[in-house]
Amino acid sequence: DTEVTQTPKHLVMGMTNKKSLKCEQHMGHRAMYWYKQKAKKPPELMFVYSYEKLSINESVPSRFSPECPNSSLLNLHLHALQPEDSALYLCASSQEPGGETQYFGPGTRLLVL
Amino acid sequence: KQEVTQIPAALSVPEGENLVLNCSFTDSAIYNLQWFRQDPGKGLTSLLLIQSSQREQTSGRLNASLDKSSGRSTLYIAASQPGDSATYLCAVSLLSGFQKLVFGTGTRLLVSP
Repeated sequence: DTEVTQTPKHLVMGMTNKKSLKCEQHMGHRAMYWYKQKAKKPPELMFVYSYEKLSINESVPSRFSPECPNSSLLNLHLHALQPEDSALYLCASSQEPGGETQYFGPGTRLLVL
Repeated sequence: KQEVTQIPAALSVPEGENLVLNCSFTDSAIYNLQWFRQDPGKGLTSLLLIQSSQREQTSGRLNASLDKSSGRSTLYIAASQPGDSATYLCAVSLLSGFQKLVFGTGTRLLVSP
């Protein structure tokens, strides 16, 4: 099973809402990643979790809060987002942290009104 | 700061043609280079990963080469098919922080029947 799943597929939220994105993998991978991708742009790294600990935070605003409850699950909690945060949010995982093939999920398309 | 550029930005070819996609990066201190495919609104699929010590990798009709000293990689697609239509992204991981992928600007490929 080389699948990374993400839920929901689509999300519409207001600027005062709180929502969460979920990512799951059952490949035994020890690194998980969140990326943000705007239309017609390449993905940009947001966070890296290595062995369930946050190892990289690319200066992401605090309205995005990642969480790794266990080695298979990665969440991204959203609060007080801005319309410019509308994007495709991609989750990925790799066997080890760094230098390995990353397996991507299908993404969550987020629209902030 | 590592910058990754892909040329051309868009390419349209008839079915059956062999084609070459180009990727260049400014900092040759890379850990590896990966090529990904992305269908519209979808996640990324890893195609090939080339370690910095390797010169090329092959998978089916795909062949990727790496010239680290000149900061260049090419993706060769043989006998293109309409199903190859997608955006192709190259990404490098750095020796200084190999958990982080820096993506190129992408090439949008359209193969017409």
